[in-house]
Amino acid sequence: NAGVTQTPKFRVLKTGQSMTLLCAQDMNHEYMYWYRQDPGMGLRLIHYSVGEGTTAKGEVPDGYNVSRLKKQNFLLGLESAAPSQTSVYFCASSWMGGPYNEQFFGPGTRLTVL
Amino acid sequence: KQEVTQIPAALSVPEGENLVLNCSFTDSAIYNLQWFRQDPGKGLTSLLLIQSSQREQTSGRLNASLDKSSGRSTLYIAASQPGDSATYLCAVTSGGSYIPTFGRGTSLIVHP
Repeated sequence: NAGVTQTPKFRVLKTGQSMTLLCAQDMNHEYMYWYRQDPGMGLRLIHYSVGEGTTAKGEVPDGYNVSRLKKQNFLLGLESAAPSQTSVYFCASSWMGGPYNEQFFGPGTRLTVL
Repeated sequence: KQEVTQIPAALSVPEGENLVLNCSFTDSAIYNLQWFRQDPGKGLTSLLLIQSSQREQTSGRLNASLDKSSGRSTLYIAASQPGDSATYLCAVTSGGSYIPTFGRGTSLIVHP
């Protein structure tokens, strides 16, 4: 039982390049989340999904797209990376929402955009 | 809109002390409150989840309490150890929203 895994762990991009971050969970959770964590800003929600085939915007969605084609995977895409997207990205999952939303986090992806 | 505050932002204590970390929230209509630990360069690890109907939860040397009426939760760490050094975050899920709101955390250093 691997829990929540994230690929890659580190990445360096040049401005304008694109990339996709992969999050996978093996707990059969319905809800999945993408956060970014920056010094002094705390955790900020980018996008989330309440089930396979669904996505919704969080607090800071601009510049990111997501897809949830399979229940166990949640992909975060950067179409044209900007230096402001330098951050640590965390994926999380929970069984459901509301009272049943105990979250489990992945180890993070450290992204640097030059 | 729910707001979650954690005070102090940083704390440094000698080994062996009993600690209390605070988490306050503005909307008392919550589903639950979750405490996490984050080590430097790592992801968040869930410590305790307190449902709205509960007053406290315990795990080993950790005890978390919840007082909805005052909008507060405390995380009590007994007999602190250097290995407890980490950032502790709380997250509150409010009624009507299925998405938790995070505090910015308390950075704890326990020195030998």
